[in-house]
Amino acid sequence: EADIYQTPRYLVIGTGKKITLECSQTMGHDKMYWYQQDPGMELHLIHYSYGVNSTEKGDLSSESTVSRIRTEHFPLTLESARPSHTSQYLCASGNRGQRETQYFGPGTRLLVL
Amino acid sequence: GQSLEQPSEVTAVEGAIVQINCTYQTSGFYGLSWYQQHDGGAPTFLSYNGLDGLEETGRFSSFLSRSDSYGYLLLQELQMKDSASYFCAVRGGQAGTALIFGKGTTLSVSS
Repeated sequence: EADIYQTPRYLVIGTGKKITLECSQTMGHDKMYWYQQDPGMELHLIHYSYGVNSTEKGDLSSESTVSRIRTEHFPLTLESARPSHTSQYLCASGNRGQRETQYFGPGTRLLVL
Repeated sequence: GQSLEQPSEVTAVEGAIVQINCTYQTSGFYGLSWYQQHDGGAPTFLSYNGLDGLEETGRFSSFLSRSDSYGYLLLQELQMKDSASYFCAVRGGQAGTALIFGKGTTLSVSS
C-alpha cells in the first residue's frame, strides 16, 4: 500500500477563489507529479518535480502553480479558480531509476461554481 | 515529444483472454509501463518492460518490441473485477523524468 495522501478529497468552491490542493508522501520519493483527469478520460500531466526546489510544467497548459520545499510535500495552487478548472486532480510520486513505478494518491475532486 | 496510441474500448467475457495494444513515439525510450484504473479510483501500477520480450505477473503479461515501438498488455482468465481502464505510459519530459500516459483503454468484462 502506497503512502501518498491528498487533501481535500472533495472541494466545491466559487469562481475567483484561491485554493491549494495538498499532497504528501512518506516514501521518500524524489519525483512527484500532478495530473488532471476528467471522468473516463486520459491523465494530463500538469506539473512535476524531480527533487526539492525543482519544478517543471507538464504537457497540459495550466493556470496552477506548484512548489517543492520539502521532499514529502508537493502542493498545487490555483490563484483564481474558474469553472474550467472543475476536474479530478491526482498526485503521484515515484522512485528514481529507469524502472520507475508511480504511486498515486486518491485524488481531489474539484467543482468550481 | 511523446505520443501513445491504444484502442479506446475493448469488450470480453469472463474467462476469455484479451490483448490491449499500445504503439508509441518518443524521442528517448526508457521503457513502457502499464497502469490499471477502476472507475472512481486512482491508477495502480501493473507492469513494466524495459527490454524486448514478455514479462509475466500472474494473469497479466506485458510484451515489448522496441524495434516496432509497440507493446501490449495480455489479460488471461478474465474476471469481472478486471473491468477497468488500462493505460500505457512512457517516460518523457525533461531528461525523461516524467511518465506520459496514453488515453487509456476501457475494458468491459461481461458474464
